[in-house]
Amino acid sequence: KQEVTQIPAALSVPEGENLVLNCSFTDSAIYNLQWFRQDPGKGLTSLLLIQSSQREQTSGRLNASLDKSSGRSTLYIAASQPGDSATYLCAVEEYGNKLVFGAGTILRVKS
Amino acid sequence: ETGVTQTPRHLVMGMTNKKSLKCEQHLGHNAMYWYKQSAKKPLELMFVYNFKEQTENNSVPSRFSPECPNSSHLFLHLHTLQPEDSALYLCASSPSPDTYYEQYFGPGTRLTVT
Repeated sequence: KQEVTQIPAALSVPEGENLVLNCSFTDSAIYNLQWFRQDPGKGLTSLLLIQSSQREQTSGRLNASLDKSSGRSTLYIAASQPGDSATYLCAVEEYGNKLVFGAGTILRVKS
Repeated sequence: ETGVTQTPRHLVMGMTNKKSLKCEQHLGHNAMYWYKQSAKKPLELMFVYNFKEQTENNSVPSRFSPECPNSSHLFLHLHTLQPEDSALYLCASSPSPDTYYEQYFGPGTRLTVT
């Protein structure tokens, strides 16, 4: 059974700092990996989708990498801002069309 | 706004009550999903509907009863719930059954069972 783990569970950093969120998964047989952002009182918003054949994706200050063989992904946030404060979720899409989520990392960026 | 709305946003109910959660999507999608998000736990997929037909029931207790009258609306009927059912219930939709990765989420209903 696929399990997705996110470390750390919570992170507090000063504004302007670069940071890395980690995601690991137990079964490397995945279609893709996706990073989501969840704000309080709002649903999930997709940030980046990495296909299993890709190594990384970038969007603005965000960069996500995927090492499928080792079952790891990282989300790198450059020059963090208070508006980046949210919960970040990692999810893998398994064969059979199912998203398996991690529990998330709660990020707080202090001004 | 993602185009997926959920009502109510907050719900407090007793264990003997019957209530329903509603989800509506304005995106023209054909697949809809119910998820449960408990504190500090991963999202758990509960039900999947494709073209109004239920295609997945992830071993959900019968006190949760989904209904999908058309591709735009999804309900979750609740009865005789337990305190451990308190959670954020999220609805999502995707264009087709083949696009699991392209899910759009609603804001959720925060459910408290007393």
